[in-house]
Amino acid sequence: GALVYQYPRRTICKSGTSMRMECQAVGFQATSVAWYRQSPQKTFELIALSTVNSAIKYEQNFTQEKFPISHPNLSFSSMTVLNAYLEDRGLYLCGARASSYEQYFGPGTRLTVL
Amino acid sequence: QQKVQQSPESLSVPEGGMASLNCTSSDRNFQYFWWYRQHSGEGPKALMSIFSDGDKKEGRFTAHLNKASLHVSLHIRDSQPSDSALYFCAASETGGYKVVFGSGTRLLVSP
Repeated sequence: GALVYQYPRRTICKSGTSMRMECQAVGFQATSVAWYRQSPQKTFELIALSTVNSAIKYEQNFTQEKFPISHPNLSFSSMTVLNAYLEDRGLYLCGARASSYEQYFGPGTRLTVL
Repeated sequence: QQKVQQSPESLSVPEGGMASLNCTSSDRNFQYFWWYRQHSGEGPKALMSIFSDGDKKEGRFTAHLNKASLHVSLHIRDSQPSDSALYFCAASETGGYKVVFGSGTRLLVSP
């Protein structure tokens, strides 16, 4: 079946340091990959979106300089949170779409910043 | 203003009861809707998708979409304590890749 894996599931980093998280889509051909952050208040913010036809596009309030993303293909994506601070804490979700109708989310990487 | 708004923020129903969740979009370009459920400590899991006007039923879950009013609802009959979770409505444009989430409804089903 279609699955999205994310690694690590939980991570703790010191304020001002950086951490990298990974996402892998298995069992289907992803046509787009999106990274979201779910705040402690539980709302979802779209960080960036990559599609089969376009380069990575960042949403307002998120930049490549802060959240660099790399992916050799749409089945594998990694994102780094650079110089993490308290406001960066939350659950980082990776979502991959197989078509207009099907999309799958990973379990998320929970970032705690000390 | 959020493009996808959900109500209520929280909902309590007794076991065996009917839970009704609402979602409204302010963007007429949004034509595809999903309902997701998220249990504590997990990522969101897709419950149902609905793209056409009318009802879509899957087991105890029924989604209803009214494209004219951009309103979609989710009804859970015979609610179980295991249904207690955060429920999110999500929407995207036809042919679009960007998915926008609502702020969620916290459902509590008490035994």
